[in-house]
Amino acid sequence: GAGVSQSPRYKVAKRGQDVALRCDPISGHVSLFWYQQALGQGPEFLTYFQNEAQLDKSGLPSDRFFAERPEGSVSTLKIQRTQQEDSAVYLCASSFQARGTEAFFGQGTRLTVV
Amino acid sequence: DAKTTQPPSMDCAEGRAANLPCNHSTISGNEYVYWYRQIHSQGPQYIIHGLKNNETNEMASLIITEDRKSSTLILPHATLRDTAVYYCIAMGRPIIQGAQKLVFGQGTRLTINP
Repeated sequence: GAGVSQSPRYKVAKRGQDVALRCDPISGHVSLFWYQQALGQGPEFLTYFQNEAQLDKSGLPSDRFFAERPEGSVSTLKIQRTQQEDSAVYLCASSFQARGTEAFFGQGTRLTVV
Repeated sequence: DAKTTQPPSMDCAEGRAANLPCNHSTISGNEYVYWYRQIHSQGPQYIIHGLKNNETNEMASLIITEDRKSSTLILPHATLRDTAVYYCIAMGRPIIQGAQKLVFGQGTRLTINP
């Protein structure tokens, strides 16, 4: 596709359930980012991949959060034993690996934990 | 990365120029000013960026003061579709090319009125 694609668009999970969120970046984009956006707030950085290597995971809030990008294209953000405070929009972005280039964001996955 | 300060909200009449200010008084010499916007229920969208010269593209103009302590994003003929939250981000060159982690603040909620 022409843009960054995320699925599902909406996810409702019961507290304690595991969830997996998918991101299909723009073809050829080396860099891939995950962000978390709470209601009424700006997005907050979670983790960064360069191809299949996870180079920065400083923003992951706990060890219940895990991200992977095994073949350097599609990425999955997994949240284990979801809690209510995990409710947010999860945004994926990709970019070329070059100076000054912008990040392209997907529409996000809205996760609601009940 | 330098902290940025933006007004929480602004209004503008359709067809008029929207001027969005951003203060970044602690910006360092190698930090760029980036602008993104987020329309409701969508991911952020890149608008423009600059270092010290004024920049213009098909979406907007960016005016950076000579001392680089502030900047203004100008939407020359605002339309209803420009209603969004606008984020100003000061960001230096990443250690790894392409690894430009974005640090979003609260942004300015711009409402274009008919």
